[in-house]
Amino acid sequence: DTAVSQTPKYLVTQMGNDKSIKCEQNLGHDTMYWYKQDSKKFLKIMFSYNNKELIINETVPNRFSPKSPDKAHLNLHINSLELGDSAVYFCASSQANIHEQYFGPGTRLTVT
Amino acid sequence: AQSVSQHNHHVILSEAASLELGCNYSYGGTVNLFWYVQYPGQHLQLLLKYFSGDPLVKGIKGFEAEFIKSKFSFNLRKPSVQWSDTAEYFCALYSGGYQKVTFGTGTKLQVIP
Repeated sequence: DTAVSQTPKYLVTQMGNDKSIKCEQNLGHDTMYWYKQDSKKFLKIMFSYNNKELIINETVPNRFSPKSPDKAHLNLHINSLELGDSAVYFCASSQANIHEQYFGPGTRLTVT
Repeated sequence: AQSVSQHNHHVILSEAASLELGCNYSYGGTVNLFWYVQYPGQHLQLLLKYFSGDPLVKGIKGFEAEFIKSKFSFNLRKPSVQWSDTAEYFCALYSGGYQKVTFGTGTKLQVIP
């Protein structure tokens, strides 16, 4: 059984488009995250939700909007995509009091 | 603010060589420390973690790490690496509450057969 799943795995789109990435976890965790990993493998946290509430919102352009319909899902919507948004986006989950993170397989976003 | 430093950006070893990857952190209080591994084209997976107790922690695949509080370090070690250990290794720190987990910049390990 997949613990943290993301769709799609690959996403190729043109500048200016709007796209969404979905994430689901079946581990019963109460906290979920979005990370961006650039071409140099640097991993940067973007958002964190605990029980559907936003608790971490790093300096991210407001073109990025996360949504958590329930504590098992955390989606990421990106408006007006730019070349610099090209990266691998990882979803992760954890229990808030432990913070051992379980990562999804990643979504490789390519903006042309 | 908390931070994690991994000074080795790229390490190249021959099979059977011993490995030590450095991780230093900056935070004055209690910390939880982690090492994650990312194999080529895959997601991050937990190798080992330190929360409290014995400062020498053992993880999967023969890896271990030692927490030295006085040095603010949590170095990763393996006595004999294999080609399959080729991957990116990330050290991470969590300081409690609703603080984020802070990741280091990663160390790319390349093991030559």
